[in-house]
Amino acid sequence: EIVLTQSPGTLSLSPGERATLACRASQSVSSSYLAWYQQKPGQAPRLLIYGASSRATGIPDRFSGSGSGTDFTLTISRLEPEDFAVYYCQQYGGSPKFTFGPGTKVDIK
Amino acid sequence: EVQLVESGGGLIQPGGSLRLSCAASGFTVSSNYMSWVRQAPGKGLEWVSVLYSGGSTYYADSVKGRFTISRDNSMNTLYLQMNSLRAEDTAVYYCASLQWLARYFDCWGQGTLVTVSS
Repeated sequence: EIVLTQSPGTLSLSPGERATLACRASQSVSSSYLAWYQQKPGQAPRLLIYGASSRATGIPDRFSGSGSGTDFTLTISRLEPEDFAVYYCQQYGGSPKFTFGPGTKVDIK
Repeated sequence: EVQLVESGGGLIQPGGSLRLSCAASGFTVSSNYMSWVRQAPGKGLEWVSVLYSGGSTYYADSVKGRFTISRDNSMNTLYLQMNSLRAEDTAVYYCASLQWLARYFDCWGQGTLVTVSS
């Protein structure tokens, strides 16, 4: 079973700063099957990135994804006030089986 | 506009049963891959089950044998029948549509809270 770890657990930044969130898999995963979600308190998750680097419909271009193999990154180029939230990575591991990372909270410094 | 609306959550005693519903609008449940994902209070996301458009069903090990995913095509609604509920099943349950080509969840409902407690 593939396990996803995310780092850091919490990222404290100011609006306008760059955020770099990491997602590491315990074994190689297909880039085609790596997605990122944003979740705000009391809300459902929202798809940001799929296929490791493709932005979902309506997602601003300040969000970008990259990576391959076991290491993936979500970058927010300039944090806007509405970007402070929890971010999850997700992968498909066959069987079928879907796994989420534990999340990275981006909060205001 | 695609919309998913869950219902059926509530407080239930350990060992009890509950059926969650997810009413869809703006798209056809039977033509899509549909899933349930849950989130325990203050915790992360956990995939629960998937129903393929062709009818195949799959479950996380944690719920296998206790939960059943199904759909009613005439009602355009997805269901999750939950039996033998345990305290650790306490969570907000989300239904979500799954884009099979790239294996991601693109549309989510607002969630319904299930609390298993005596």
